[in-house]
Amino acid sequence: AQTVTQSQPEMSVQEAETVTLSCTYDTSESNYYLFWYKQPPSRQMILVIRQEAYKQQNATENRFSVNFQKAAKSFSLKISDSQLGDTAMYFCAFMTYNYGQNFVFGPGTRLSVLP
Amino acid sequence: EPEVTQTPSHQVTQMGQEVILRCVPISNHLYFYWYRQILGQKVEFLVSFYNNEISEKSEIFDDQFSVERPDGSNFTLKIRSTKLEDSAMYFCASSEGSLEYGYTFGSGTRLTVV
Repeated sequence: AQTVTQSQPEMSVQEAETVTLSCTYDTSESNYYLFWYKQPPSRQMILVIRQEAYKQQNATENRFSVNFQKAAKSFSLKISDSQLGDTAMYFCAFMTYNYGQNFVFGPGTRLSVLP
Repeated sequence: EPEVTQTPSHQVTQMGQEVILRCVPISNHLYFYWYRQILGQKVEFLVSFYNNEISEKSEIFDDQFSVERPDGSNFTLKIRSTKLEDSAMYFCASSEGSLEYGYTFGSGTRLTVV
């Protein structure tokens, strides 16, 4: 079974600083995809960043980047220059073709950006 | 940018009643999904739908639930005889079928069973 673990239920960061959210996963698959989704107070699920497991290069999207360590099954999200609008719940998610293309989500990390 | 549209945004229903949650996926997407998020908990997979039939469903998706694509644009989730524990946020999503891009989620329907 695939599982996703996020060990930090809550985190806070000062505006303009950098924060890293942790995610580990467990799978026997070799080909899979990893995602970070953001859920602001509006509760909509918004894609932040994605990573293909077969790509060694870490994905980046503006202020968001990941540190993907395949051997360690770790997929952390770094947010640089944190903004108040980054305050949200962040979910790490895993997907593989062999699991019906369905997401397995982690329990989430609630991030608060403080002014 | 194309969106997945869900209606209503919030629905309150009495225990034992039937509810239908509606979704309009992105027009050229082929795969459709429903997920559920009980307040304060993680998002859980319910069901996936492709080529007018269920392709996969989770243990949560029991006989109380059904999905339908009644026309070329809508995708519905029906919950028969709702229970208090069905209170949750229900997300619809659609995808082209390539894992590379994940899904596009709708903004959710908050279902409250009283």
